[in-house]
Amino acid sequence: AQSVAQPEDQVNVAEGNPLTVKCTYSVSGNPYLFWYVQYPNRGLQFLLKYITGDNLVKGSYGFEAEFNKSQTSFHLKKPSALVSDSALYFCAASVFNKFYFGSGTKLNVKP
Amino acid sequence: EPEVTQTPSHQVTQMGQEVILRCVPISNHLYFYWYRQILGQKVEFLVSFYNNEISEKSEIFDDQFSVERPDGSNFTLKIRSTKLEDSAMYFCATGGAGANVLTFGAGSRLTVL
Repeated sequence: AQSVAQPEDQVNVAEGNPLTVKCTYSVSGNPYLFWYVQYPNRGLQFLLKYITGDNLVKGSYGFEAEFNKSQTSFHLKKPSALVSDSALYFCAASVFNKFYFGSGTKLNVKP
Repeated sequence: EPEVTQTPSHQVTQMGQEVILRCVPISNHLYFYWYRQILGQKVEFLVSFYNNEISEKSEIFDDQFSVERPDGSNFTLKIRSTKLEDSAMYFCATGGAGANVLTFGAGSRLTVL
């Protein structure tokens, strides 16, 4: 079965420290990979995507993600976290216009 | 920036009533999706719609659910006879050619009493 896994329900990090939110996928073929962010009572907002090319992709708000084909991972990173980054983050993979979402990781950035 | 608009933002209904959730997609988008998110849980795929027909649906999308584009622009999700467990946030998402990025609406919160 096709799936996307986010192994951490919650990630806590201090403001100014680097952050990583993990994602692995089990999807056939060469899926497109995405990160979305959800703030309270809002829809999902697109952060970044990987389709092909450089394994490190840069997105909105200083976020970046590293694609690793051998580990089938697409971890979200940011060099220096902000309190305003606190939100729910979803990883997604798509093949043939079908999207598979992870269960979400709550990021808490403390001052 | 183009947006996906959903109405209503919140609807409260009695169990057994019919509910219609509406979505106005981005004008040149061709792929339409409905997802739901039960409070605090994962985002679940319901149905995808392309070229005026359902392209795929999940096991959640049973006979109580239907989708249509009644006027070629709005994209609606109908729940014929709501159940308590239908209480959730319902998200419409649309994609352009290739659908390699989905744009989500802000969601419609459905509360079934």
